[in-house]
Amino acid sequence: DAGITQSPRYKITETGRQVTLMCHQTWSHSYMFWYRQDLGHGLRLIYYSAAADITDKGEVPDGYVVSRSKTENFPLTLESATRSQTSVYFCASSEPALAGGTDTQYFGPGTRLTVL
Amino acid sequence: ELKVEQNPLFLSMQEGKNYTIYCNYSTTSDRLYWYRQDPGKSLESLFVLLSNGAVKQEGRLMASLDTKARLSTLHITAAVHDLSATYFCAAGHPSNDYKLSFGAGTTVTVRA
Repeated sequence: DAGITQSPRYKITETGRQVTLMCHQTWSHSYMFWYRQDLGHGLRLIYYSAAADITDKGEVPDGYVVSRSKTENFPLTLESATRSQTSVYFCASSEPALAGGTDTQYFGPGTRLTVL
Repeated sequence: ELKVEQNPLFLSMQEGKNYTIYCNYSTTSDRLYWYRQDPGKSLESLFVLLSNGAVKQEGRLMASLDTKARLSTLHITAAVHDLSATYFCAAGHPSNDYKLSFGAGTTVTVRA
């Protein structure tokens, strides 16, 4: 099915381990985003990308690394996981209206990450 | 920094009655989004409002935007149980590279 997918959907890891969350979209959207959702904080932007090989920090980037070698993929890596990174992670993509899109961000199903 | 505030954060609705959720944002924004999230699920786009005075309606939901007041409202008409969910508003501006700032969400429970 076309759309935006995330993997894994659930992940349990231990403090200090490296974890990579995957995001794949089939729309060829220019923009991709990573958010984390925590109770009491809503959604907070971690990193985003305007195109392949172009990434930039969001509101809460510390402890995370991203790359975007292909338009359709935007992996998020936790280099050394901490308990405070326990959260639900959402990937989203969008295409600007100026480029023929709708500006709407479409969200993936989310990855629930637990760091023990 | 663009800050978005929603109120109320929790809303208990009685079936058949009308309610409004408010979304205020702190700096100039020319686009306002409303999303719905069911428990344990992802966010679903409801409305995109792109100009002052914009009004959009879908079923029992109607959203409007007043850019001068920096206010968007989501009006629910004759609430039904299926509308129980968390509703988020998000504001953004192209000069901020299409990033969005989200409100904390309004958790809606519709009771008989």
